[in-house]
Amino acid sequence: NAGVTQTPKFQVLKTGQSMTLQCAQDMNHEYMSWYRQDPGMGLRLIHYSVGAGITDQGEVPNGYNVSRSTTEDFPLRLLSAAPSQTSVYFCASSYGPGRETQYFGPGTRLLVL
Amino acid sequence: GESVGLHLPTLSVQEGDNSIINCAYSNSASDYFIWYKQESGKGPQFIIDIRSNMDKRQGQRVTVLLNKTVKHLSLQIAATQPGDSAVYFCAENPYSSNTGKLIFGQGTTLQVKP
Repeated sequence: NAGVTQTPKFQVLKTGQSMTLQCAQDMNHEYMSWYRQDPGMGLRLIHYSVGAGITDQGEVPNGYNVSRSTTEDFPLRLLSAAPSQTSVYFCASSYGPGRETQYFGPGTRLLVL
Repeated sequence: GESVGLHLPTLSVQEGDNSIINCAYSNSASDYFIWYKQESGKGPQFIIDIRSNMDKRQGQRVTVLLNKTVKHLSLQIAATQPGDSAVYFCAENPYSSNTGKLIFGQGTTLQVKP
């Protein structure tokens, strides 16, 4: 198993540009989440999904959209990038109720100029 | 609001010594806790977890202790090695397990001196 994979590893955007961060998992996990990590801080939840077709907002959802059309994929979209979205983004997945251990991808470093 | 915090931002230990990393949580309804290790430039890596119906759980060289009375969680690493140098995060689930959501603390940096 590849586990949780994320692409790209690094991206530079200009303010106002849009892009999609890709996340995929091959463990047949029901739950998937997106976090952002800023320097010296823990991870903050952006959006999460408890199954295909179901998404919900986390702690810091503004400026981000998600969709979950398949169990494997959970892309994160930045509609109009802002410098405040410069961060490292992590995708995570877990089996579901009673098995909440989340497994993380390697992250995407995003710089918005 | 709910928060998960760590007592010390940096912990420096001698190689071979035992390390103890502490974490305080605020939500008494939390029923699941987990420790992650994050090395520079990598994603968080699962270390060990514990449910609220347990006080202690042991893994390979690691032990997690849960004190629900004072809402305190700790991670003990035996015979700390240079490879243990990383940032350690505790996380809790104060929500229903059906959400799969976790709240993370800010992290403690563990530095292992040779």
